Amino acid sequence: KAGVTQTPRYLIKTRGQQVTLSCSPISGHRSVSWYQQTPGQGLQFLFEYFSETQRNKGNFPGRFSGRQFSNSRSEMNVSTLELGDSALYLCASSVATSGTSGDNEQFFGPGTRLTVL
Amino acid sequence: AQSVTQLDSQVPVFEEAPVELRCNYSSSVSVYLFWYVQYPNQGLQLLLKYLSGSTLVKGINGFEAEFNKSQTSFHLRKPSVHISDTAEYFCAVSRGGGFKTIFGAGTRLFVKA
Repeated sequence: KAGVTQTPRYLIKTRGQQVTLSCSPISGHRSVSWYQQTPGQGLQFLFEYFSETQRNKGNFPGRFSGRQFSNSRSEMNVSTLELGDSALYLCASSVATSGTSGDNEQFFGPGTRLTVL
Repeated sequence: AQSVTQLDSQVPVFEEAPVELRCNYSSSVSVYLFWYVQYPNQGLQLLLKYLSGSTLVKGINGFEAEFNKSQTSFHLRKPSVHISDTAEYFCAVSRGGGFKTIFGAGTRLFVKA
């Protein structure tokens, strides 16, 4: 079974631009979570989507948004990029149900490294 | 709310020596506990997880962890490390499906020859 894939793997943008990152979860996984990883702040939760709905949200400004499609693929968008948005963006999928059962084990993709100049 | 504290940001150790990476958590409800490893320029990979039952959990690559409810700890151990174990290790907690997973700040394990 193929793992979680993320595209692109590397991205360079300038301040003020916007960017869209893509994530394809493991087949059959309906939950997709996004994380920002930086040396100073560690791994920070952005949001989680389940069945095309945002189910959980972290403490990030509205410039960060996401969506999930009917095939469970997800995209995240960052508008008006700032230098501080430079980070590794990780996507993770999990086998999840509409309820709260299951251990929520996360399967991670390799990440997209975003550099903002 | 849950939180995770990894007590050491960096752990240097010589090859073939034992190692323990410490993790403490706080939660008012039962949680699932995880250890993930991240090699350079890669995503995170699950090492092991504790759901219930035996408090000693064995994972991949010779790692094991012990759940201690009274001390709210979930320390990761390996009796003999290899150079290839050099990586960053993350402890995490989750209330389960539908809830977000909370990660610790990470511990960088550096294995020296």
